[in-house]
Amino acid sequence: DAGVIQSPRHEVTEMGQEVTLRCKPISGHDYLFWYRQTMMRGLELLIYFNNNVPIDDSGMPEDRFSAKMPNASFSTLKIQPSEPRDSAVYFCASSSRDRGLAVMNTEAFFGQGTRLTVV
Amino acid sequence: GNSVTQMEGPVTLSEEAFLTINCTYTATGYPSLFWYVQYPGEGLQLLLKATKADDKGSNKGFEATYRKETTSFHLEKGSVQVSDSAVYFCALRTSGSRLTFGEGTQLTVNP
Repeated sequence: DAGVIQSPRHEVTEMGQEVTLRCKPISGHDYLFWYRQTMMRGLELLIYFNNNVPIDDSGMPEDRFSAKMPNASFSTLKIQPSEPRDSAVYFCASSSRDRGLAVMNTEAFFGQGTRLTVV
Repeated sequence: GNSVTQMEGPVTLSEEAFLTINCTYTATGYPSLFWYVQYPGEGLQLLLKATKADDKGSNKGFEATYRKETTSFHLEKGSVQVSDSAVYFCALRTSGSRLTFGEGTQLTVNP
């Protein structure tokens, strides 16, 4: 498997524009996480899905952010309208429940991230 | 709620020095514990994990022991290399399934 695939790797956009980040999780994984990383706040969980259903979106900063998972192999994180303070690296991660193990025992696999710059 | 506290960085060491990065946690129930490493420009990679008390996770010369009595999971390596320079994250996961990360500790190893 190629691992978690995120696109684009880099995105530069003007304030007010819509930004869409994409993620393809590892095949067979049933959990998908979106994280944001900044120097000031470190690594923050924005939202996570289980079997394509959003479970916890309490980390989504505000209504400008939305995330979808239309099927098991694709998720998007959208920011509309974007603002300079949204500049960060956004990571997608996925994990599975190994046979015989509780989900809490399995690690998450991370993508390479999307570096977003809003000017 | 759950939380993870790591020692503040940055940490700068000379090659072959001994490394310790402290990690303590607060959690409901008995979590699984993880150390992740992030090399420049890359995503996080699992370094090691431990799923129950007294378990020792190890990988690439790094070790950490799950200490329930002190709620700790300190990362150690006996002899660091320049290639170990990275940011290290301690994390926990409970039955609620979300991963909670510490702030990260930047390690720089000089030749």
